[in-house]
Amino acid sequence: KNEVEQSPQNLTAQEGEFITINCSYSVGISALHWLQQHPGGGIVSLFMLSSGKKKHGRLIATINIQEKHSSLHITASHPRDSAVYICAVANYGGSQGNLIFGKGTKLSVKP
Amino acid sequence: NAGVTQTPKFQVLKTGQSMTLQCAQDMNHEYMSWYRQDPGMGLRLIHYSVGAGITDQGEVPNGYNVSRSTTEDFPLRLLSAAPSQTSVYFCASSPPGQGPLRANEKLFFGSGTQLSVL
Repeated sequence: KNEVEQSPQNLTAQEGEFITINCSYSVGISALHWLQQHPGGGIVSLFMLSSGKKKHGRLIATINIQEKHSSLHITASHPRDSAVYICAVANYGGSQGNLIFGKGTKLSVKP
Repeated sequence: NAGVTQTPKFQVLKTGQSMTLQCAQDMNHEYMSWYRQDPGMGLRLIHYSVGAGITDQGEVPNGYNVSRSTTEDFPLRLLSAAPSQTSVYFCASSPPGQGPLRANEKLFFGSGTQLSVL
């Protein structure tokens, strides 16, 4: 069983739609990251969360520590949001190197 | 600032050859790491370092060596390349975490190296 599960694996949306990507994990964590991988391959860090909610522009990330679940929301989606979104958790009590990654959610936003 | 600079972008090797993937950062980050990304799998940690002179193994360290002689540089060496090492490799860095849980702060990634071993 994967320690970090993302859903859905693939998501197609129309421009302007509200999008939710989910991440569930089975280990105790000290932090959770959301990353964006562009079609060209580059990876950008979007958020690091240890509790609550963070917002940056049209992106909102939430985490529920008790339920071991995080969501990434995109409001008013745009074709430029098309990318793979990756959830990664920092294992509680582990070293700084101990990140566990989900397999990613491939988002395609159609104009 | 250049951020995290990773070279080369593409490399083709023959089985048994050795090579070094370079990674350098100019942000004075203590933490650096190497990942590989394979189709259908998440990023997997190869080796990491929490500071100059300190390295440790990740999930998939076999066949790879690292060293950290300076804060800036963290090269990854393939000792004897095998087809199973065909992958996309990413280097990443971050400053040390704040607070008692030492959670990683924001990660900064290099642009990746696409490696094919024939």
